[in-house]
Amino acid sequence: EVQLVESGGGLVQPGGSLRLSCAASGFTLGTYWMHWVRQAPGKGLVWVSRINIDGSGKTYADSVRGRFTISRDNAKNTLYLQMNSLRVEDTAVYYCARGNNSGWYYFDYWGQGTLVTVSS
Amino acid sequence: QLVLTQSPSASASLGASVKLTCTLSSGHSSYAIAWHQQQPEKGPRYVMKLNSDGSHTKGDGIPDRFSGYSSGAERYLTISSLQSEDEADYYCQTWGTGIVFGGGTKLTVL
Repeated sequence: EVQLVESGGGLVQPGGSLRLSCAASGFTLGTYWMHWVRQAPGKGLVWVSRINIDGSGKTYADSVRGRFTISRDNAKNTLYLQMNSLRVEDTAVYYCARGNNSGWYYFDYWGQGTLVTVSS
Repeated sequence: QLVLTQSPSASASLGASVKLTCTLSSGHSSYAIAWHQQQPEKGPRYVMKLNSDGSHTKGDGIPDRFSGYSSGAERYLTISSLQSEDEADYYCQTWGTGIVFGGGTKLTVL
């Protein structure tokens, strides 16, 4: 059974940092592109970042570029999102999602999410 | 610009059928989309990929009550024999030079 389990969320002050993790099981992480998607309270889904199979290719939404860094450790079957210089508007539930194919494609599995709250 | 438009809300009675609509922006009527279901306080769940010709690929464990079809720039998700657990937000998603989500439709089962 494919599972994605996020962790690392919490309360952080503006300007602070957090590192999210996404533990994958039931499939070989190293054969899929992976994505982060976020959802602000009461709002819709917004794509944040993606990473290719070996981690050599990374793409970011304009709103997080330069502040967030996506990475992966295929040996540990884990995806990461390092979030620096956090802003109040980054408050959201963060989901990792598996791309069904390479590049831009649809997501066929999602995690349950981890809540990030940025507040003073 | 690639945009997906969804109605904010829909409702139907228990045991009835409902049709949710996702509309692709002008010039993008050949694009495939994916439907995702998000039950309250849960992460999204992939329902199906829906192509422009109406062919679709469902996710693991998605009941036969869920189906999809296409007409022009419209992409439809139909749910028959509605059950209480179908009450959820439904998002459509597409892709081109990036990932685009529709605003979501909140389905209420009466």
